[in-house]
Amino acid sequence: DTAVSQTPKYLVTQMGNDKSIKCEQNLGHDTMYWYKQDSKKFLKIMFSYNNKELIINETVPNRFSPKSPDKAHLNLHINSLELGDSAVYFCASSQEASEQFFGPGTRLTVL
Amino acid sequence: SQQGEEDPQALSIQEGENATMNCSYKTSINNLQWYRQNSGRGLVHLILIRSNEREKHSGRLRVTLDTSKKSSSLLITASRAADTASYFCATDRSPRLTFGEGTQLTVNP
Repeated sequence: DTAVSQTPKYLVTQMGNDKSIKCEQNLGHDTMYWYKQDSKKFLKIMFSYNNKELIINETVPNRFSPKSPDKAHLNLHINSLELGDSAVYFCASSQEASEQFFGPGTRLTVL
Repeated sequence: SQQGEEDPQALSIQEGENATMNCSYKTSINNLQWYRQNSGRGLVHLILIRSNEREKHSGRLRVTLDTSKKSSSLLITASRAADTASYFCATDRSPRLTFGEGTQLTVNP
């Protein structure tokens, strides 16, 4: 019954590797988001998709590539991981200009 | 870019006391939202106040919005230990939601 789910919950990997995080929402929302939360808890928007179309693309290294196969899924692929990519990544969804529903987060640690 | 600033950064109170957190922002907004984040968890939406509203209540929560001062406050009355969490304001200029830096609230039993 989880509204917004993310996998994996934890990801530990070496510098230079490529990894993906998956997100799914069963709320029927049209819009999905990826956020990055750093060690100081600052939450920053990275990407947003509305009905599979990219509508927000912040200044994020192009090593980060989002993919939305359908409006219920938004995945995040990261190439050539760097130490500075270590953070908690949150997926969220919403319907129009309303509250956002967040996933549980994926804690990425790059060694 | 627009960013909410929250005050205080940390607040420690005793159970039963009220907790007030403030948020200031810089540009016009559609609405302002407050979220709670428990340690190690995702954010949970608490309340949304539209730009044409001045005050809103939800249970023990009271939110005010002053668009002339570009500020909002969140009041939690009769706090409980379970209210211990980080609280974030977020300003909505759709499709973008911009989060403040958060207030860490600790409620001591």
